[in-house]
Amino acid sequence: EAGVAQSPRYKIIEKRQSVAFWCNPISGHATLYWYQQILGQGPKLLIQFQNNGVVDDSQLPKDRFSAERLKGVDSTLKIQPAKLEDSAVYLCASSPGTRMGEQYFGPGTRLTVT
Amino acid sequence: QKEVEQNSGPLSVPEGAIASLNCTYSDRGSQSFFWYRQYSGKSPELIMFIYSNGDKEDGRFTAQLNKASQYVSLLIRDSQPSDSATYLCAVKNYNQGGKLIFGQGTELSVKP
Repeated sequence: EAGVAQSPRYKIIEKRQSVAFWCNPISGHATLYWYQQILGQGPKLLIQFQNNGVVDDSQLPKDRFSAERLKGVDSTLKIQPAKLEDSAVYLCASSPGTRMGEQYFGPGTRLTVT
Repeated sequence: QKEVEQNSGPLSVPEGAIASLNCTYSDRGSQSFFWYRQYSGKSPELIMFIYSNGDKEDGRFTAQLNKASQYVSLLIRDSQPSDSATYLCAVKNYNQGGKLIFGQGTELSVKP
């Protein structure tokens, strides 16, 4: 079974530029998550989708971050404009959607904002 | 108070020893508890999950849960150098939408 796919794996941009990340979850997984992991910290949830609806985006900085999950499969996360403090690894995860279900992570995108 | 707390370490154990990793959480409504392993530069990898009080064993790994004390631990028996990684504890309260709340992770170093 193929795992969670993400691209790009690495991205370097200057502050105030925009960037987009893509995620393809495990086939059949209804729930998709975007996390931000800053070096030395645990992942922090940015947004959770159930199919193509948003379940939780309480920690998403909506003035600069946006995300969508069209057709309930792939998802994109966008940052516009980027700030230095956005430098982090952006992780996508998916789960089957059961209440107790475990989550499986993709390889992540390492973003450096200069 | 952090929602999920772990000692950041590093925790250093000799090869063959038992490594004990601990985690406390603040939300008494949490129902699911997970341990992820994260190698440097890699994404988190699920190694154990536990829902009920008591112990759950899987190979060299044992997860222990005590909901009354709001405490979950991971024991790694016969530690190997390949176990050297950061171990992340995560908890879930599905009444809160099912998101995982992570601790900051404990760095484990297994010395040959």
